[in-house]
Amino acid sequence: GAGVSQSPRYKVAKRGQDVALRCDPISGHVSLFWYQQALGQGPEFLTYFQNEAQLDKSGLPSDRFFAERPEGSVSTLKIQRTQQEDSAVYLCASSLARGRWNQPQHFGDGTRLSIL
Amino acid sequence: AQKITQTQPGMFVQEKEAVTLDCTYDTSDPSYGLFWYKQPSSGEMIFLIYQGSYDQQNATEGRYSLNFQKARKSANLVISASQLGDSAMYFCAMRETNFGNEKLTFGTGTRLTIIP
Repeated sequence: GAGVSQSPRYKVAKRGQDVALRCDPISGHVSLFWYQQALGQGPEFLTYFQNEAQLDKSGLPSDRFFAERPEGSVSTLKIQRTQQEDSAVYLCASSLARGRWNQPQHFGDGTRLSIL
Repeated sequence: AQKITQTQPGMFVQEKEAVTLDCTYDTSDPSYGLFWYKQPSSGEMIFLIYQGSYDQQNATEGRYSLNFQKARKSANLVISASQLGDSAMYFCAMRETNFGNEKLTFGTGTRLTIIP
């Protein structure tokens, strides 16, 4: 079956513009995660959904970042009034179910965001 | 304090040799899971192996095995008979289960280069 799909693969935006990044998880996966990966670093947690409920958004760096998953499948990460420090790879991951502790998160290829 | 520490920024290994990638972790949660992921230059994060804190035996998956030393809080990845395709970034990650927290905390990674 298909893996986690993210679009666009690359996004270039001017400082101050709004951007929207899309994630289509593996079919049937209940949990969905967003991570931010700066150059040369490991991914850092942004936010987490269980179906359509956003259970943890403690990693969102500012109120310019907003994520949603209205129907419990596709998710969108929106960044308003982008800044240069928002330049990073944004990774989406999904996993089968909450509480299945040995279930890995499956990652998409990421969206590389560059803010000019 | 860093929750996941990977002390080897880069490693060079001869093809067909075994390699050990180090990972130490810090948690007060008695129940946790440890994951290793591989990230080739293409950017995708590929799940390799999982070890639960209560697992009695070290995890193995094909050429990958995990040297889990709970008292020392280390979870080193061992790759046997390395291949050119093993060249990539390798990340150690931890999921703590307190409060049902599903997020992964990653280390800074080790860049492994296999030499022909």
